[in-house]
Amino acid sequence: NAGVMQNPRHLVRRRGQEARLRCSPMKGHSHVYWYRQLPEEGLKFMVYLQKENIIDESGMPKERFSAEFPKEGPSILRIQQVVRGDSAAYFCASSPPTGTEAFFGQGTRLTVV
Amino acid sequence: AQSVTQPDIHITVSEGASLELRCNYSYGATPYLFWYVQSPGQGLQLLLKYFSGDTLVQGIKGFEAEFKRSQSSFNLRKPSVHWSDAAEYFCAVGAYNQGGKLIFGQGTELSVKP
Repeated sequence: NAGVMQNPRHLVRRRGQEARLRCSPMKGHSHVYWYRQLPEEGLKFMVYLQKENIIDESGMPKERFSAEFPKEGPSILRIQQVVRGDSAAYFCASSPPTGTEAFFGQGTRLTVV
Repeated sequence: AQSVTQPDIHITVSEGASLELRCNYSYGATPYLFWYVQSPGQGLQLLLKYFSGDTLVQGIKGFEAEFKRSQSSFNLRKPSVHWSDAAEYFCAVGAYNQGGKLIFGQGTELSVKP
């Protein structure tokens, strides 16, 4: 049973470009969470999704960031017009429908140059 | 406000010595508490969790943690540290109906000296 899969592991973007981060949850998990870890900081919750629904996006920046979890395929975190301050590690976690425990992926390290 | 505080940013212990990492939380609902470990450049691995019942919980790699409601604490302990325990440790709190939506502490970096 594969764990939470994130790709790419490392992503370099120039300022103003778009970044797309993908997350495939564990088999049988229908809930996905995205977190951001800035250098020297803990993880900060961004968004909670179920298939085709955004449940809680209270941690998402109001502009340039969006997330989706389509009926088929991975969850996508999209950052438009990236700026240097978006450089961070982005982690995805998943849980089963009745779960209270989240399983984390290896993360995507985004560097904006 | 809901928060998790890990007072120690960096701790150094000698190999074989005992370890205690502190975690205090502020949370409105009944807390579900977790400790995760993160090695450099890696994801988070769950060490242990507390939902209810016995307040002393055992985890992987010889770690344990004790939930003290009166002190709003969930400290992580290990009787004898190994060099491979060097990593960053995160305490987190969530709620039953929040699934994997967690509030994390800032982390404690553990260094182990020979």
